[in-house]
Amino acid sequence: GQNIDQPTEMTATEGAIVQINCTYQTSGFNGLFWYQQHAGEAPTFLSYNVLDGLEEKGRFSSFLSRSKGYSYLLLKELQMKDSASYLCAVKSAGNMLTFGGGTRLMVKP
Amino acid sequence: GAVVSQHPSWVICKSGTSVKIECRSLDFQATTMFWYRQFPKQSLMLMATSNEGSKATYEQGVEKDKFLINHASLTLSTLTVTSAHPEDSSFYICSAGAVVGQGTQYFGPGTRLLVL
Repeated sequence: GQNIDQPTEMTATEGAIVQINCTYQTSGFNGLFWYQQHAGEAPTFLSYNVLDGLEEKGRFSSFLSRSKGYSYLLLKELQMKDSASYLCAVKSAGNMLTFGGGTRLMVKP
Repeated sequence: GAVVSQHPSWVICKSGTSVKIECRSLDFQATTMFWYRQFPKQSLMLMATSNEGSKATYEQGVEKDKFLINHASLTLSTLTVTSAHPEDSSFYICSAGAVVGQGTQYFGPGTRLLVL
């Protein structure tokens, strides 16, 4: 079966750094995605990891450890517009994505 | 980046009406498209996987006769909610995966369905 866990909610301060963790237990692994979703909108692609290590893209970084079934999304220099839900998704066979429940991040001034 | 469109954005209809939602990949070919449903404050739940030229694969608990999926070309998939009822009211989102590359799924803007 597929099991993907991430915290339900997090709060952070504008300008700070926040790390959103994701652990997974899946049958088959072909990569892990992070998406951002603002309320009432569709998810937008943030990052993709298929090999262990850190992928950096501007203020956003994503880390993967396949042996531990663990990933995190790191957001630096938080801005108010970063308030959104962050979805961790694991790709299995056939390009199918299984999503975690999402982490609602609230950025406060 | 890849663009996926959905039409319509909003649908309000009476109970018993059938509603058709279109999903198009505008600048790339997608052999596989996915249909998700999202209830308020919940994550995306995969309903079905749509493969071009073949029958869709439905997730457990999703009625294939109620949610009809057609994937007639590499750029178009349609979802028809037949005889919609108030409990079908939800946010329906499609995504398309590119034929080549890492297979990132790109999401359409979603269709909000309200059944009265």
